[in-house]
Amino acid sequence: IAGITQAPTSQILAAGRRMTLRCTQDMRHNAMYWYRQDLGLGLRLIHYSNTAGTTGKGEVPDGYSVSRANTDDFPLTLASAVPSQTSVYFCASSVSSGSLNEQFFGPGTRLTVL
Amino acid sequence: GQNIDQPTEMTATEGAIVQINCTYQTSGFNGLFWYQQHAGEAPTFLSYNVLDGLEEKGRFSSFLSRSKGYSYLLLKELQMKDSASYLCAALDSNYQLIWGAGTKLIIKP
Repeated sequence: IAGITQAPTSQILAAGRRMTLRCTQDMRHNAMYWYRQDLGLGLRLIHYSNTAGTTGKGEVPDGYSVSRANTDDFPLTLASAVPSQTSVYFCASSVSSGSLNEQFFGPGTRLTVL
Repeated sequence: GQNIDQPTEMTATEGAIVQINCTYQTSGFNGLFWYQQHAGEAPTFLSYNVLDGLEEKGRFSSFLSRSKGYSYLLLKELQMKDSASYLCAALDSNYQLIWGAGTKLIIKP
């Protein structure tokens, strides 16, 4: 693995189903983030983690949950998907959560909820 | 509230210069980032400014005025591969990035 990976690349999901988007980084970054990107809107932060074992809510956390059991993995779970969660989801990581730390993005997961 | 404004779309000619503006209003300020995003791909880091002034990096330069809540990205000697969206993002007092919707730059031959 080089950098940050996400799985699946794309998914079509029936409303009401549970779904986990996976994110793994091998850069030993402390901070990780989940964003959604919708047409005409900026990236919106869903959840973040400043270090393994801790998580926090971003701008649009409702309907999503995360966990950070170790440094490398930061899965995002939709407990019961709804059509408004149709979006492109990006996972990102940075050395830490402070200034000067650029975020590195995974390739994204395109999710469609029908 | 927190807000980032940037133009939705700009068009420029190959070989020319283009300036993409960004204004921001955030709760506290810890720096301004510019990212490039090609269609269907992930954003990639271009620049970071925290002090007033111009930072030059090859064909790309970024400027910041903290007193005016204003930044711009300057792209020189435009190439077709520069066709992409350019995202402005401000780091607020909680060290969270507030993102603009992006400026789609179209380069014409």
